[in-house]
Amino acid sequence: TQLLEQSPQFLSIQEGENLTVYCNSSSVFSSLQWYRQEPGEGPVLLVTVVTGGEVKKLKRLTFQFGDARKDSSLHITAAQPGDTGLYLCAGEKAGNQFYFGTGTSLTVIP
Amino acid sequence: DAGITQSPRHKVTETGTPVTLRCHQTENHRYMYWYRQDPGHGLRLIHYSYGVKDTDKGEVSDGYSVSRSKTEDFLLTLESATSSQTSVYFCAISEKETGANNEQFFGPGTRLTVL
Repeated sequence: TQLLEQSPQFLSIQEGENLTVYCNSSSVFSSLQWYRQEPGEGPVLLVTVVTGGEVKKLKRLTFQFGDARKDSSLHITAAQPGDTGLYLCAGEKAGNQFYFGTGTSLTVIP
Repeated sequence: DAGITQSPRHKVTETGTPVTLRCHQTENHRYMYWYRQDPGHGLRLIHYSYGVKDTDKGEVSDGYSVSRSKTEDFLLTLESATSSQTSVYFCAISEKETGANNEQFFGPGTRLTVL
């Protein structure tokens, strides 16, 4: 059983559309990270959220950590083809262990 | 980019043979991790290290062992490879700090196929 579930698993949208990816768990995490991974490469960190209810913005990307620190969302405004990739959330638990979500594969069509 | 290399990058082996994957870092980070990535499962932690000769198990450690004799190197060994261990293996490093600064940097991955 996966500790973190992401939805949707696959997403294909037109350039300029908005989208939201969800990362849900029944467990509490001390922090939650979002990564983006391109084919043939390792994941690259986008953001870390630490406080319940925290919202962080990275250009057209908005990340939110749930109040209870069990879930998170990633919202992309006006998606561009360069946003295409696999998006992974990862929750940190005590002992410096990270648990990754199942991943959301995003394709933005020009 | 963080200085992390993995070797080999690709390997094909037969069931029952031993396999060792190497992760090398030039960042002097304390923590090192081995993950495997499989479709529908995201990344799953195999083992991690919090210092030289200090290692601990992750959520999918059965069939794997690790060693860390130097800060810069973290080895993952499959004692007797099985087809279920066919996967892409990623090494990651981090410098232990609390909260927002505890980020991981990933290597390029090793694609392992066990026939």
